[in-house]
Amino acid sequence: AQRVTQPEKLLSVFKGAPVELKCNYSYSGSPELFWYVQYSRQRLQLLLRHISRESIKGFTADLNKGETSFHLKKPFAQEEDSAMYYCALSEIQGAQKLVFGQGTRLTINP
Amino acid sequence: NAGVTQTPKFRVLKTGQSMTLLCAQDMNHEYMYWYRQDPGMGLRLIHYSVGEGTTAKGEVPDGYNVSRLKKQNFLLGLESAAPSQTSVYFCASTSGTPTEQYFGPGTRLTVT
Repeated sequence: AQRVTQPEKLLSVFKGAPVELKCNYSYSGSPELFWYVQYSRQRLQLLLRHISRESIKGFTADLNKGETSFHLKKPFAQEEDSAMYYCALSEIQGAQKLVFGQGTRLTINP
Repeated sequence: NAGVTQTPKFRVLKTGQSMTLLCAQDMNHEYMYWYRQDPGMGLRLIHYSVGEGTTAKGEVPDGYNVSRLKKQNFLLGLESAAPSQTSVYFCASTSGTPTEQYFGPGTRLTVT
């Protein structure tokens, strides 16, 4: 069965500290992995996706197929990073249905 | 470009009442989706459509129906609302290739 697990519901770090949001998945095959972010009073939007291998707003995520993980990292947190973060996977072909994790609320303290 | 829009933004229903949520997109996307967002559970797929005139069930379809009569619109119906359907509902669309889904602003529904 497809499943995405984000073990931390809440994560709080100080400004300037490193951030790591954990994501583990189970999927029979090779999925596409995403991180979506929802800032306060804004709609859900894509932060980054595995296939594009880019860094957005200083965030990166590495796909570890052996550990089936796709953790999100940023070396120096900023206050504007405070938001709800969702890890998600979808099939590469077909209907592109997204399976989301439970979400992690990240709070950056000044 | 308005992107993905949802109507209404908020709604309060009594148990047993019915309503329809409207999702519209102006990006000519083939695929459209309805999700519900509940605390501690992330977003879960209710129904989806891979093209005009087609719909399919997602992970949590019970109590909901959908229709995609026009490519740009995807309607979600609740025939007899229940308190368990209190949630925030999000619509999304995508072009159908492995790419991002674009989300609407959400509809907050409360069933009393």
